[in-house]
Amino acid sequence: QSVLTQSPSASGTPGQRVTISCSGSSSNVGSKTVNWYQQLPGTAPKLLIYTDNQRPSGVPDRFSGSKSGTSASLAISGLQSEDEADYYCSAWDDNLNNWVFGGGTKLTVL
Amino acid sequence: EVQLVQSGGGLVQPGGSLRLSCAASGFTLSNDWMHWVRQAPGKGLVWVSRINSDGSSTNYVDSVKGRFTISRDNAKNTLYLQMNSLRAEDTAVYYCARSNYYDSGGHAFDIWGQGTMVTVSS
Repeated sequence: QSVLTQSPSASGTPGQRVTISCSGSSSNVGSKTVNWYQQLPGTAPKLLIYTDNQRPSGVPDRFSGSKSGTSASLAISGLQSEDEADYYCSAWDDNLNNWVFGGGTKLTVL
Repeated sequence: EVQLVQSGGGLVQPGGSLRLSCAASGFTLSNDWMHWVRQAPGKGLVWVSRINSDGSSTNYVDSVKGRFTISRDNAKNTLYLQMNSLRAEDTAVYYCARSNYYDSGGHAFDIWGQGTMVTVSS
């Protein structure tokens, strides 16, 4: 059972916009910044969004992040086949004194 | 090229020990917090441990406290994870990662190692 809650799966067709949600609590998402990671099959995770809504250099602007209260979201517009991956949200948790991750959302491009 | 190169890992019996290494290349990790994150087969990411830049402060997830020890040798630009009293549930791919502090007000894991598999089985 992950501290941050994500839907296990999401899907969309090429060109569509999909949103992946991440629900936490006041000790993590509600008071700390949220990061998003993309993990392609068989590879290490890659930083996709940091501090709620910032993109590292090289990440396409099709990817965007937002946060409201104790929930965060990752939006992917103009969906492409290479976006098929697992996506994880993460934040520091003040109660656990740990970094915590969501359980991950497997995105399928139909 | 900026990268973290991992070594160690393998098959170990329950109760055994293993040491993982993570060497930085293309940058100096001496100013950075460093972390270990693991992923059991078919499961999600779980943060394991962190160490501050000079090694004076460490934190662990409850499930590994007292069994795992994170350390670093800044002169060798290398991070370590000593794993003792290993259990079947420690079986996972272990990743090392650097956390970077951003002016926008938080940390994120911006550089990841390639991962190394640890299998605990008799």
